[in-house]
Amino acid sequence: NAGVTQTPKFRVLKTGQSMTLLCAQDMNHEYMYWYRQDPGMGLRLIHYSVGEGTTAKGEVPDGYNVSRLKKQNFLLGLESAAPSQTSVYFCASSYQVQEGNTQYFGPGTRLTVL
Amino acid sequence: AQKVTQAQTEISVVEKEDVTLDCVYETRDTTYYLFWYKQPPSGELVFLIRRNSFDEQNEISGRYSWNFQKSTSSFNFTITASQVVDSAVYFCALTEMNAGKSTFGDGTTLTVKP
Repeated sequence: NAGVTQTPKFRVLKTGQSMTLLCAQDMNHEYMYWYRQDPGMGLRLIHYSVGEGTTAKGEVPDGYNVSRLKKQNFLLGLESAAPSQTSVYFCASSYQVQEGNTQYFGPGTRLTVL
Repeated sequence: AQKVTQAQTEISVVEKEDVTLDCVYETRDTTYYLFWYKQPPSGELVFLIRRNSFDEQNEISGRYSWNFQKSTSSFNFTITASQVVDSAVYFCALTEMNAGKSTFGDGTTLTVKP
């Protein structure tokens, strides 16, 4: 099992450009999450999904959109990137009931917006 | 609303010292889960332990031990005889039953010097 994978690992964008980050999991988890981590700070939840076709806002959703068309994939989109979105992005997935929402994380995507 | 506080931003110890990382949480639920995750310098996030609110038994795993006390809303993590490889950022997290998402503390950066 690959666990949780993220594509790409690194990306540099110019202000105003758009991009999509892909998260894939092969553990048949119902729940998936997107976080951002800024230097010296903890994890802040952007959006999450409790099942295929559903999404919900986290604590810092502005400037991002998500989609969960397939159970195994969770996409994070930036429509018009801003320097404030420079960060490391982590995807995670979990069971809810079976494991009390223990989250398994991807390796992260380092995004720089110039 | 749930909240997790890790008051220690940074801790520095010398190898073989014991160190305790503090975690205090707030929740109105009676059923919840607590977690510790480790983020080594390589950047990945690794699950260490999960406890549910009905199980206050302390747990020991090798050099690691966890002390869960509902009376003080704390879930502290102790590393005995620390090693350089323990250097990492450690995150405490809380999930309320059926919440669908976790709240993370801001993390404690532990540096173990040789």
